[in-house]
Amino acid sequence: NAGVMQNPRHLVRRRGQEARLRCSPMKGHSHVYWYRQLPEEGLKFMVYLQKENIIDESGMPKERFSAEFPKEGPSILRIQQVVRGDSAAYFCASSLITTGEELGNTIYFGEGSWLTVV
Amino acid sequence: QKEVEQDPGPLSVPEGAIVSLNCTYSNSAFQYFMWYRQYSRKGPELLMYTYSSGNKEDGRFTAQVDKSSKYISLFIRDSQPSDSATYLCAMSVHYKLSFGAGTTVTVRA
Repeated sequence: NAGVMQNPRHLVRRRGQEARLRCSPMKGHSHVYWYRQLPEEGLKFMVYLQKENIIDESGMPKERFSAEFPKEGPSILRIQQVVRGDSAAYFCASSLITTGEELGNTIYFGEGSWLTVV
Repeated sequence: QKEVEQDPGPLSVPEGAIVSLNCTYSNSAFQYFMWYRQYSRKGPELLMYTYSSGNKEDGRFTAQVDKSSKYISLFIRDSQPSDSATYLCAMSVHYKLSFGAGTTVTVRA
């Protein structure tokens, strides 16, 4: 499967625990994005990363959330000390480019990681 | 005011009907316009993409962008039960997509 791979697909955490979500971009894509989908709301941009660099984290909550995309391995979205309000679907997307007329055709989403905080 | 407004529906139509979906937006700098289909507990799947303004047709799907009115539409002709899903509009200036809340569509057999 050459698509965007996310795991785990479903994750249950108790309040106060840590959640780690992983994303492997589509083969050949070097741009990774994380989005969050809250119930009854659209997807909201969180962060844009390239290998070893955070390019734009304007959508990340200021506390408890962090993201990385190391030189080797998948991108990771980490949520520390989870609270009930963190329950949501977290989607990773990747793209081949970030500008240009064909940009919209190159952004692909993974199947998502559903986090439930109990 | 939200940057992208989309009627959440739900929308229920008989098989074979035309499904009409739309979104309005406030940011005149948007230049990339997408429609995604999302099945329950699945990721968004790109259906239609339009750069800048105009119409685009692909099989049973037609996407329209009217930048002067800040309004985009998706039409699905000869709708099928398999078209039952949530449809998300998305748009952007560059890599950062702004999504509508999604419209849930049910096509009745």
